[in-house]
Amino acid sequence: KAGVTQTPRYLIKTRGQQVTLSCSPISGHRSVSWYQQTPGQGLQFLFEYFSETQRNKGNFPGRFSGRQFSNSRSEMNVSTLELGDSALYLCASSLLGVSNEQFFGPGTRLTVL
Amino acid sequence: DAKTTQPTSMDCAEGRAANLPCNHSTISGNEYVYWYRQIHSQGPQYIIHGLKNNETNEMASLIITEDRKSSTLILPHATLRDTAVYYCIVSGALNYGGSQGNLIFGKGTKLSVKP
Repeated sequence: KAGVTQTPRYLIKTRGQQVTLSCSPISGHRSVSWYQQTPGQGLQFLFEYFSETQRNKGNFPGRFSGRQFSNSRSEMNVSTLELGDSALYLCASSLLGVSNEQFFGPGTRLTVL
Repeated sequence: DAKTTQPTSMDCAEGRAANLPCNHSTISGNEYVYWYRQIHSQGPQYIIHGLKNNETNEMASLIITEDRKSSTLILPHATLRDTAVYYCIVSGALNYGGSQGNLIFGKGTKLSVKP
């Protein structure tokens, strides 16, 4: 069974631009969570989607948004990029979202110049 | 904030058992203990989880104390590929359709397996 895939793997943007990251969960998984990882703050939870609905949200500004499609694929969008948004963005999927046995993708490395 | 306390770093000789401790003294009755690890530049990898009984799978064993205030992850025969940051996470049980899905990561333990 294929694992969680994320595209693109690397991205370079400039301040003020927006970016969209994509995540394809493991087949059959309906829950998708997004995390941001930086050297200073570590791994931080952004939001979680289950059956196309956002169920849970971390403490991030409204510039960070996401959505989930009917096939469970998910996208996250960051608008008006700031230097501090440079990070590894990780997506994780789980089967029903009833357990925190989550399977992570390789991440998208975003650099904001 | 993370609800767990782990040593910052540990060393282990290749082939020996690696025992990684975790304190979670404020754990509540419906919270599970999860272990993940992150090898450099990769996404975290799920290892094991448990509620109150000891658990074992092909990767590791999880020993939870009777009062559930601490646990130990055991890698029985550590290899160089087990060098990683290991995260111990306490997280509530979920009901179908509930509003969870997030993991609160602390700093973890950096395990270095040496030849």
